[in-house]
Amino acid sequence: AQSVTQLGSHVSVSEGALVLLRCNYSSSVPPYLFWYVQYPNQGLQLLLKYTTGATLVKGINGFEAEFKKSETSFHLTKPSAHMSDAAEYFCAVTGYGNNRLAFGKGNQVVVIP
Amino acid sequence: NAGVTQTPKFQVLKTGQSMTLQCAQDMNHEYMSWYRQDPGMGLRLIHYSVGAGITDQGEVPNGYNVSRSTTEDFPLRLLSAAPSQTSVYFCASSYSDRRHGYTFGSGTRLTVV
Repeated sequence: AQSVTQLGSHVSVSEGALVLLRCNYSSSVPPYLFWYVQYPNQGLQLLLKYTTGATLVKGINGFEAEFKKSETSFHLTKPSAHMSDAAEYFCAVTGYGNNRLAFGKGNQVVVIP
Repeated sequence: NAGVTQTPKFQVLKTGQSMTLQCAQDMNHEYMSWYRQDPGMGLRLIHYSVGAGITDQGEVPNGYNVSRSTTEDFPLRLLSAAPSQTSVYFCASSYSDRRHGYTFGSGTRLTVV
């Protein structure tokens, strides 16, 4: 079975400040890890993913995440928050041979001007 | 560039009524799935399909039925709607190689009164 933990349902960040969203996962097989973003009243859009290879992955809109196997983590960062980053962010995990994509409970990001 | 199309976008049902949520994809994805999204709960898997004629249960399957007669379509049926099924429903699809990630529809907002 696989699972994801995202702490802090609501995250407030000042415009221009660092965005850091934490994701820890549990997986019985080598994981495939994803971050999705959901803007109000829309579906989920893929931000970035880790499957194999380089552990630091870059995504859209200036976001990046680092896979750390020893810490079972895949934290999402962006150096400087923009007002347009206000959205809900979900971390998700699946793996080779696994038919299920398991989601964390999400982080609602509020950007303060 | 349709991707994953869900209909309807909004629906209000009375308790005990039945209905079908439609999902269609035009990317020739083998894998399709249904999720429900509730505040503070993230996305929870209802049912999924790894190909035409093959379906299986997710973590919250009770009260829902699915079938997959074609690669393109994966409808979700509510047999007898209950207020607990008030939620936002998302359909997602993927190639059998999950490393490509999942494409989501824009969702159906269902209210059961």
